[in-house]
Amino acid sequence: DGGITQSPKYLFRKEGQNVTLSCEQNLNHDAMYWYRQDPGQGLRLIYYSQIVNDFQKGDIAEGYSVSREKKESFPLTVTSAQKNPTAFYLCASSGQTSTDTQYFGPGTRLTVL
Amino acid sequence: GEDVEQSLFLSVREGDSSVINCTYTDSSSTYLYWYKQEPGAGLQLLTYIFSNMDMKQDQRLTVLLNKKDKHLSLRIADTQTGDSAIYFCAEVFGGYQKVTFGTGTKLQVIP
Repeated sequence: DGGITQSPKYLFRKEGQNVTLSCEQNLNHDAMYWYRQDPGQGLRLIYYSQIVNDFQKGDIAEGYSVSREKKESFPLTVTSAQKNPTAFYLCASSGQTSTDTQYFGPGTRLTVL
Repeated sequence: GEDVEQSLFLSVREGDSSVINCTYTDSSSTYLYWYKQEPGAGLQLLTYIFSNMDMKQDQRLTVLLNKKDKHLSLRIADTQTGDSAIYFCAEVFGGYQKVTFGTGTKLQVIP
């Protein structure tokens, strides 16, 4: 089946540790995105990538890093510099045209203790 | 900058119609989405409407767009308990797909 997978579904880390969230898609989409979701705040864009080996900062990139070495994969690292890392993280992908819908993965809930 | 607002909560009885409202500030969007999010899950696209349309109907869903007032609504007919979820409206701006999401409306369906 085509789709987007994120792993793990739940992740716990100690404060001060970096953690990497996985996002993989087999939809042959060029563009991929990372969002952060907090209660009552909707989704906020962290980073996006329109093509392999290229990515851009979104609205709240501070404390996060990404890589896009393969078309299928767009991992997100939450660094120790991120002040409030506990949140629900959503990955999405889309085609390149303006009418292509964004498809979302199931999300990873990160809790920093 | 862009701003998309929604009320946080809506409660309806099973079988009634639900209307979820959304207001936005930037009129340059190319189209507008409605997404559904069930607890602990990702977002599922429900429907979308191009910014040059006024209405779109898709089975139990009706989307109305009032460009003058920058107001978007989603009507769910014959609401079922399975419709309980958070509903997000979102504006899409051309190019690579810059998307601005609303704050989400939690729909509670009472049996």
